[in-house]
Amino acid sequence: KQEVTQIPAALSVPEGENLVLNCSFTDSAIYNLQWFRQDPGKGLTSLLLIQSSQREQTSGRLNASLDKSSGRSTLYIAASQPGDSATYLCAVPPGPQAAGNKLTFGGGTRVLVKP
Amino acid sequence: GAVVSQHPSWVICKSGTSVKIECRSLDFQATTMFWYRQFPKQSLMLMATSNEGSKATYEQGVEKDKFLINHASLTLSTLTVTSAHPEDSSFYICSARLPYQETQYFGPGTRLLVL
Repeated sequence: KQEVTQIPAALSVPEGENLVLNCSFTDSAIYNLQWFRQDPGKGLTSLLLIQSSQREQTSGRLNASLDKSSGRSTLYIAASQPGDSATYLCAVPPGPQAAGNKLTFGGGTRVLVKP
Repeated sequence: GAVVSQHPSWVICKSGTSVKIECRSLDFQATTMFWYRQFPKQSLMLMATSNEGSKATYEQGVEKDKFLINHASLTLSTLTVTSAHPEDSSFYICSARLPYQETQYFGPGTRLLVL
């Protein structure tokens, strides 16, 4: 059974500092990995999706890397802003197939960027 | 972009009553929708996969007779929490997947409080 862990659970940084969020998964035979953002009391916004064949994906200030062999993904957010404050979640399908796109989520990292 | 809505956003009900939550894909047809539950400060847990025109597939430990799912059209899935109890109080989030794509689009969530 796939298990997804995110460390740290919470992170507080001053504005302008780069953010590094970690995600690890127990079964390296994943189909893809997604990073989401969740604002308090809100739904999820998809940030990046990395296919299993890819090593990284970039979107603006966001960069996500994937190392399947070690079961890790890292989300980097450059030059953080107070508006980046949110909970960041990573998620993977349960196996090497898309498996109907069911997702297993990590516990999330709550980020606070202080002005 | 693909938009998913949920209604209601907030519901308070008495113990023993049933509550229906709607999930709609506003600008696309979704053959598959997913229902998640999120308890405070925890991550999302998949409850069931809803397929248009067929029975939902429930995750282990989720009571199908308590959480009734109907996916009657390509743009609407409903989750009915029957005979709700205080322990059912949670944040319920749905997501929908575009056909032939992997990215899931999430609704804004419905917060249920059972008194």
